[in-house]
Amino acid sequence: NAGVTQTPKFQVLKTGQSMTLQCAQDMNHEYMSWYRQDPGMGLRLIHYSVGAGITDQGEVPNGYNVSRSTTEDFPLRLLSAAPSQTSVYFCASSYKGTGSYEQYFGPGTRLTVT
Amino acid sequence: QKEVEQDPGPLSVPEGAIVSLNCTYSNSAFQYFMWYRQYSRKGPELLMYTYSSGNKEDGRFTAQVDKSSKYISLFIRDSQPSDSATYLCAVCRDNYGQNFVFGPGTRLSVLP
Repeated sequence: NAGVTQTPKFQVLKTGQSMTLQCAQDMNHEYMSWYRQDPGMGLRLIHYSVGAGITDQGEVPNGYNVSRSTTEDFPLRLLSAAPSQTSVYFCASSYKGTGSYEQYFGPGTRLTVT
Repeated sequence: QKEVEQDPGPLSVPEGAIVSLNCTYSNSAFQYFMWYRQYSRKGPELLMYTYSSGNKEDGRFTAQVDKSSKYISLFIRDSQPSDSATYLCAVCRDNYGQNFVFGPGTRLSVLP
């Protein structure tokens, strides 16, 4: 199994550009999440999904959109990039159900917005 | 007040030392507590999770939860240079593993 994969690994955008960060998992996990990680602030939840067709907002959703058309894929869209979105983005997946708290994280996408 | 607080360090210890990493949380309703390890330029990986107050051991690692003081700890015995990483504590806001909040992480260096 490849686990959780993310593409691209690095990206530089200009302010106002849009792009999609890709995330895929091959573990048949119901739950998937997107986090951003900034120095001194830890991981902050952007959006999450409990299954195909179902998404919800996390702590910092503004400026980001998500959709979940399949169990495997959970792309994150930046509609109009801003310098404040410079960060490292991690996608994670986990099993559904009580007692299942192990999230598997991807390797991250390092995004710089100039 | 932040939901989860953690001393960011950095913390440097000699090889073989016992390491103590700590977090506090604000909401007494939180029930599930986790420790993740993150190597530089990698994604976090789960080390341990606990539900109740008390200790849980896994090899050289012990997780401790004190719900009365809202305090969680991770102890590393016989620390090794390979333990050098950032350690993140996390709590789950719900009972279904949907909504997590993380501390900022403590950067640990174990010196040979």
